[in-house]
Amino acid sequence: GAVVSQHPSRVICKSGTSVKIECRSLDFQATTMFWYRQFPKQSLMLMATSNEGSKATYEQGVEKDKFLINHASLTLSTLTVTSAHPEDSSFYICSARIQGITGELFFGEGSRLTVL
Amino acid sequence: DAKTTQPPSMDCAEGRAANLPCNHSTISGNEYVYWYRQIHSQGPQYIIHGLKNNETNEMASLIITEDRKSSTLILPHATLRDTAVYYCIVRVAYQGAQKLVFGQGTRLTINP
Repeated sequence: GAVVSQHPSRVICKSGTSVKIECRSLDFQATTMFWYRQFPKQSLMLMATSNEGSKATYEQGVEKDKFLINHASLTLSTLTVTSAHPEDSSFYICSARIQGITGELFFGEGSRLTVL
Repeated sequence: DAKTTQPPSMDCAEGRAANLPCNHSTISGNEYVYWYRQIHSQGPQYIIHGLKNNETNEMASLIITEDRKSSTLILPHATLRDTAVYYCIVRVAYQGAQKLVFGQGTRLTINP
């Protein structure tokens, strides 16, 4: 099946630093990718929709200047958590759909961010 | 997208069939029923989806009622590795940019 890969899988950083998480579609092109955040024992919360070659669409309540999304190619989207604080510690998950094919979304393995 | 209602948790014995219900009474005619699962600390995994007819694949079966207001995901022979949170989602397919919104799901525990 289609594969979506995230990197890094785990990252620990100091408060105030920025962290970049990559999401790659390994064997297909994805014009649209989605970024989710998940806190412990909670469901996935959609943060933004990443569109190749254009600006991301953010969900209500998600700060676009805090969570920078870049979708520069059909196989790569990045999420940068700027000036991270402990409350940004979470599990970040991306997903993508095969271009031209409808149906299921494929999800990455997730990236666990811990801000000290 | 239509709202779904799932029991928060269920238990099932290993080797038995696990039947996970989902209510989606406000589903529209063009909305599909999707099932995903999330094993602890991993990304969600697609299981199956359907519109009207029952569907079966190598992982599970999906039974949709005739009025489409509810559905049941069936794992025919549950194993310990099927312990996960299962999400039932209804949405319109065939729209590439349409987002997938997750509810709280059902935490399924398979017991030895």
